[in-house]
Amino acid sequence: RKEVEQDPGPFNVPEGATVAFNCTYSNSASQSFFWYRQDCRKEPKLLMSVYSSGNEDGRFTAQLNRASQYISLLIRDSKLSDSATYLCVVTPYGQNFVFGPGTRLSVLP
Amino acid sequence: EAQVTQNPRYLITVTGKKLTVTCSQNMNHEYMSWYRQDPGLGLRQIYYSMNVEVTDKGDVPEGYKVSRKEKRNFPLILESPSPNQTSLYFCASSPSLGEQYFGPGTRLTVT
Repeated sequence: RKEVEQDPGPFNVPEGATVAFNCTYSNSASQSFFWYRQDCRKEPKLLMSVYSSGNEDGRFTAQLNRASQYISLLIRDSKLSDSATYLCVVTPYGQNFVFGPGTRLSVLP
Repeated sequence: EAQVTQNPRYLITVTGKKLTVTCSQNMNHEYMSWYRQDPGLGLRQIYYSMNVEVTDKGDVPEGYKVSRKEKRNFPLILESPSPNQTSLYFCASSPSLGEQYFGPGTRLTVT
């Protein structure tokens, strides 16, 4: 089993839709969790950190479920500009970063 | 401006000709890392460094070397490049495993 797995995608959704991505991690000692966004062939950029209590930033909501070892990202009212690949990142034992393979999102007009 | 810089941004070279890709950050971050990204394979870590003089192998270290003699620089060395090292390379830095800041990427082609 891979350390970090994500929904395989791609997700093709119309503008205005709500879309959710899931990410599972295998190491129960993982300490920090992040969602990154990557536009085609550009560098990844932090979208949001994921906190135990869940957190929201505008149209984006991240949730962490330690018992089931997964994190999720919810995007409401999708915009064309949300089209990108979304990367889940965890830090097992707080020692290094492990990236998931990414889920590609295309928001269609 | 806080940033991670990589040079060169684009490089075409031939098999066996040693090359170095430089990475520098001006944020005094302890952690630095190199990744390669290939279509369908996602980001794969090559090497990382938790601090000066401390480096560790990532998932795909074969054919690469790194050094961390000073905090701001983390060069990636390909002693004898081969075509299977043609890829998009990213350097990143982070303060104590918080947010990672990525460089703009280096597109390397080995013929």
